[in-house]
Amino acid sequence: AQSVAQPEDQVNVAEGNPLTVKCTYSVSGNPYLFWYVQYPNRGLQFLLKYITGDNLVKGSYGFEAEFNKSQTSFHLKKPSALVSDSALYFCAVRAGANNLFFGTGTRLTVIP
Amino acid sequence: DAGVIQSPRHEVTEMGQEVTLRCKPISGHDYLFWYRQTMMRGLELLIYFNNNVPIDDSGMPEDRFSAKMPNASFSTLKIQPSEPRDSAVYFCASSFSAGRSGELFFGEGSRLTVL
Repeated sequence: AQSVAQPEDQVNVAEGNPLTVKCTYSVSGNPYLFWYVQYPNRGLQFLLKYITGDNLVKGSYGFEAEFNKSQTSFHLKKPSALVSDSALYFCAVRAGANNLFFGTGTRLTVIP
Repeated sequence: DAGVIQSPRHEVTEMGQEVTLRCKPISGHDYLFWYRQTMMRGLELLIYFNNNVPIDDSGMPEDRFSAKMPNASFSTLKIQPSEPRDSAVYFCASSFSAGRSGELFFGEGSRLTVL
């Protein structure tokens, strides 16, 4: 079965510092991996995805993610955090024909 | 496109009442998903449809929950009778299968409170 794990419930980072939100995956076959962001009282918004190709994937709002097959990880990164990046971040893996299995989420707080 | 549209945004009801949540997917999308989000259980897939046909309803908690998709532009999730433990945010999402990349587009959610 396909699954993802987000080991950190909460990540705090100072504004301007680099941020990393961690995700590890477990899949059979080629992984299709995603990151979504959820702002308060809003639906989830797509940030980026890895299907195949370059291990470094660039997405919306300056975010990027690094696919590492040997470590089965897909960590979300940003070189310089903004206060407006504070939100709930979900890692997800394609779990069937077209549905996604989501991780438990990581709450990112960027401190001014 | 207006995106995925859900209604109502907020619903407060009493235990035992029937609740109907509605969703209009993005035009042209052939997959529709219903998710439930709670603090305790995170995001759970309840059911999904492909071309209006239910494909997997194994996530539906119990017989009190039912979902329909009578046409490509409308779906409902019904809870009858409702219970306090059904309180959650219910999300509808849609996607387009071409390329099978799996990106989902979410609505803003329906926040249900059952008293």
